[in-house]
Amino acid sequence: AQSVAQPEDQVNVAEGNPLTVKCTYSVSGNPYLFWYVQYPNRGLQFLLKYITGDNLVKGSYGFEAEFNKSQTSFHLKKPSALVSDSALYFCAVRDIGTGGFKTIFGAGTRLFVKA
Amino acid sequence: DADVTQTPRNRITKTGKRIMLECSQTKGHDRMYWYRQDPGLGLRLIYYSFDVKDINKGEISDGYSVSRQAQAKFSLSLESAIPNQTALYFCATSDRTSGNTDTQYFGPGTRLTVL
Repeated sequence: AQSVAQPEDQVNVAEGNPLTVKCTYSVSGNPYLFWYVQYPNRGLQFLLKYITGDNLVKGSYGFEAEFNKSQTSFHLKKPSALVSDSALYFCAVRDIGTGGFKTIFGAGTRLFVKA
Repeated sequence: DADVTQTPRNRITKTGKRIMLECSQTKGHDRMYWYRQDPGLGLRLIYYSFDVKDINKGEISDGYSVSRQAQAKFSLSLESAIPNQTALYFCATSDRTSGNTDTQYFGPGTRLTVL
């Protein structure tokens, strides 16, 4: 069965510093991987996805994520954090190998960027 | 995302009451989903629909029912609400023409409290 783990409930970083939000996954086939962000009182917004090809994926708002097949990870990164990046971040995985369609979401990581 | 709307945005009800949450979208997508969000658990899929005549249970469908009245409308009902259905509920859509990549677009959410 597919699963996704976000090992940190919260990540704290100072504005201007690089940030990393971690995600690991488990699938039986090849994964499609996603990052979504949720701002207060809003629904989730798509940030970026990995389907195939280059392991480094660039997305919205200066975020990027690196797909690492050997470590089954898909960590979200940004070179310089902004206070406005403070939000709840969700990693999600879809296992295309099983032919299923369901997207499984992680529990979320709250990012707090301090000015 | 203003293209996916949910009503009501907040609802307080009592145990045993029937509740309907409504979702409408103007994105022209054929796939629609209902999720619930609980702290520390991420998003869990309740029901999904790939078109008007296709309704499928997700991982936590017990106690819920849905109706796909039109391509643009997908309603979630709690036939007899109970306190552990207190949660944040999200509707989402995706586009079949995107193939299996299944990027989802979320409504703003409905906060439901069952007393």
